[in-house]
Amino acid sequence: GEDVEQSLFLSVREGDSSVINCTYTDSSSTYLYWYKQEPGAGLQLLTYIFSNMDMKQDQRLTVLLNKKDKHLSLRIADTQTGDSAIYFCAESMSLTGGGNKLTFGTGTQLKVEL
Amino acid sequence: GAGVSQSPSNKVTEKGKDVELRCDPISGHTALYWYRQSLGQGLEFLIYFQGNSAPDKSGLPSDRFSAERTGGSVSTLTIQRTQQEDSAVYLCASSLALGEKLFFGSGTQLSVL
Repeated sequence: GEDVEQSLFLSVREGDSSVINCTYTDSSSTYLYWYKQEPGAGLQLLTYIFSNMDMKQDQRLTVLLNKKDKHLSLRIADTQTGDSAIYFCAESMSLTGGGNKLTFGTGTQLKVEL
Repeated sequence: GAGVSQSPSNKVTEKGKDVELRCDPISGHTALYWYRQSLGQGLEFLIYFQGNSAPDKSGLPSDRFSAERTGGSVSTLTIQRTQQEDSAVYLCASSLALGEKLFFGSGTQLSVL
């Protein structure tokens, strides 16, 4: 199947770390992505990881990839109120003609409380 | 342009009417994608273009949906005889080339009454 699964909600206090988890299905995915969507806005590419990597760090963001378990996580350090948004993980699947289709998870609503 | 631009940002239409949604990709991006985001369905892939051709139309929900791209740039998504279940946010994305990262526009919120 093509289901990419995420928990629906996460609530954290400002300054704490947030960890958003995702399980995906296609072990042949070359890249895995994290997108952020704020209210009324489109999807903003946050970060991505190549499938032969285990970890990628980008400022406050840390992506961990466990290929064996097809598990992807996004850790946001020192979470701020501006981080409140919906976070989507996505896996990349090849399409006819050479393109790639991103299959998205359901999205995790992150709420940051003061 | 600086980013992917979509118009209109909001569209309200009556059931049975046709609508056209426009996407202007990032300048120089050869690949263009259409997605639909609706409650209960999440994000669905609709179609993609490499240049002006659409090698994979498998995601289009019905034959009422069509899309074209001209000049390797602007794309229009047309929905004929709109139905209430077509109500959703239609998102366009572009990438520099096939297999590269996708950058999304802000979407068109379509409401079919």
